[in-house]
Amino acid sequence: DTGVSQDPRHKITKRGQNVTFRCDPISEHNRLYWYRQTLGQGPEFLTYFQNEAQLEKSRLLSDRFSAERPKGSFSTLEIQRTEQGDSAMYLCASSRQATGVGGYTFGSGTRLTVV
Amino acid sequence: AQSVSQHNHHVILSEAASLELGCNYSYGGTVNLFWYVQYPGQHLQLLLKYFSGDPLVKGIKGFEAEFIKSKFSFNLRKPSVQWSDTAEYFCAVILNNAGNMLTFGGGTRLMVKP
Repeated sequence: DTGVSQDPRHKITKRGQNVTFRCDPISEHNRLYWYRQTLGQGPEFLTYFQNEAQLEKSRLLSDRFSAERPKGSFSTLEIQRTEQGDSAMYLCASSRQATGVGGYTFGSGTRLTVV
Repeated sequence: AQSVSQHNHHVILSEAASLELGCNYSYGGTVNLFWYVQYPGQHLQLLLKYFSGDPLVKGIKGFEAEFIKSKFSFNLRKPSVQWSDTAEYFCAVILNNAGNMLTFGGGTRLMVKP
């Protein structure tokens, strides 16, 4: 499969626990994006990497959220001390810089449920 | 702040009916515009995009969209829908060719009755 892979597909966690999600982008894509989608809403931008550098962060990304892309390949998104309001689908997308604007490929997402 | 509005949250059509989904954005500068589709249980897929040139853009599966700059609109159309078009449709914009982030509308859920 040469698409964007996200793991796990589903995560149920108790409030207050930490969770970590992984995204493996398309191998030749140097841009990687995290979005969050809640029921009935469109995806909301969280953060963006170009190679290993985190270049933009939304104000939605509170200090409980941290994202890394240490070697410019896969990325992790960690949520500390989860809250019920964190329940959402977390989407990862990647693109090739040379493609220009919007040539995103999305993964299938990780659905987080905080109980 | 930029925003994207999709005024139709739910649309129900019979097969062979024509489709038009509205999308308006609020930004006066250069924009790049997109329509994405999410079929049940699947990931977001690009239907079509507008960067410049001909404001009538043709996408996959018979969809097209028209960029009307004076109306800040980028409506999605299809002359004859099929049951397989049942999905959620998202309009999105990127500003100033920055290539950094897509801002999505709230989505329109389309149900096509066979």
